[in-house]
Amino acid sequence: SQTIHQWPATLVQPVGSPLSLECTVEGTSNPNLYWYRQAAGRGLQLLFYSVGIGQISSEVPQNLSASRPQDRQFILSSKKLLLSDSGFYLCAWNKDRGHEKLFFGSGTQLSVL
Amino acid sequence: SQQGEEDPQALSIQEGENATMNCSYKTSINNLQWYRQNSGRGLVHLILIRSNEREKHSGRLRVTLDTSKKSSSLLITASRAADTASYFCTIQGAQKLVFGQGTRLTINP
Repeated sequence: SQTIHQWPATLVQPVGSPLSLECTVEGTSNPNLYWYRQAAGRGLQLLFYSVGIGQISSEVPQNLSASRPQDRQFILSSKKLLLSDSGFYLCAWNKDRGHEKLFFGSGTQLSVL
Repeated sequence: SQQGEEDPQALSIQEGENATMNCSYKTSINNLQWYRQNSGRGLVHLILIRSNEREKHSGRLRVTLDTSKKSSSLLITASRAADTASYFCTIQGAQKLVFGQGTRLTINP
């Protein structure tokens, strides 16, 4: 069966520090991968999605970047965190076509202080 | 916009009552999906309804779709405390799924 792993679960980082969040999917190949961010009590904002290795689409210009070094690995990064980067970050995947159901990771709560 | 918009933003009912939440959208769709999110957790897929379907059931969940009105509703019957969560609808856009703000449902004992 397929599983998605996202870590860490919580992270407290000072302003200006770097960030690296990792997401991996097991039990499938060539998944579509997504990074979402959710502000407290709000909806999900799509940040990046990837349909293959090295293929990244950015939805919102921002202080963040994404990379897909391997088929089932998706990394969210920042060189210098801002206070506004705080939020709940969710990784997700689906197969084949973008409109099939998404499977979400358990999320990373990032607090930038 | 390819985003679904949920209504109401918040809903509070007594345990055992039925809960209804709605989703409206503006574009043509292939399907519409509903997800649930418990506090501090990832989203969980509930139901996918295709554009040629009008109603779909899954346990205590009933989803309807009216493509002429570009709207969908999610009905939870005989609500339980464990149904307390945020509920999101989403429609597809090319390779991506875009979510609205969600409906925060609270079931009171």
